[in-house]
Amino acid sequence: NAGVTQTPKFQVLKTGQSMTLQCAQDMNHEYMSWYRQDPGMGLRLIHYSVGAGITDQGEVPNGYNVSRSTTEDFPLRLLSAAPSQTSVYFCASSQGGEHQPQHFGDGTRLSIL
Amino acid sequence: GQNIDQPTEMTATEGAIVQINCTYQTSGFNGLFWYQQHAGEAPTFLSYNVLDGLEEKGRFSSFLSRSKGYSYLLLKELQMKDSASYLCAVKDSNYQLIWGAGTKLIIKP
Repeated sequence: NAGVTQTPKFQVLKTGQSMTLQCAQDMNHEYMSWYRQDPGMGLRLIHYSVGAGITDQGEVPNGYNVSRSTTEDFPLRLLSAAPSQTSVYFCASSQGGEHQPQHFGDGTRLSIL
Repeated sequence: GQNIDQPTEMTATEGAIVQINCTYQTSGFNGLFWYQQHAGEAPTFLSYNVLDGLEEKGRFSSFLSRSKGYSYLLLKELQMKDSASYLCAVKDSNYQLIWGAGTKLIIKP
């Protein structure tokens, strides 16, 4: 069972570069989301999707784009990296229903120089 | 605004019991989750409460009081592997999860 797979695990970028963080899940979950985790703060929602073809903004969407062309994949794009985007990024998925827990990928540790 | 409060850090002894508190102020309530996160790893689901009362799952129990905006996670018979951060999260009226900053639990032998 792969669950939620994120790549890469580590990445260093220069300011202004762009890149895509990959996320794939094999559990046929409809709901997927991207979070960033910074020291001393709770997980913050960047973007989420309730199904293929549907995406919406979370709490901190600026500087990031997402797409959901298939149920399995939910990539996160950094358009022009800034040092403030240095963080650990987690992708998560869940089944529908308010009681369903989220399943997290192992995270991508991103540093912007 | 929406707010989840947890203690930043707690220390306990192996074999003992520890209670980690969580208070919340959110726009609506559709359930409260507890997750465990070991350093450098992903959060993993521990428990879910939507009705008042205690939910027990092995060594871990979680309590909820909706009228007080309060929950706690109770860990019994502490083991060294329980050293981790414990995250409290509330699902608000839009069914979005609002996360606390987490409580780092240090277990001493």
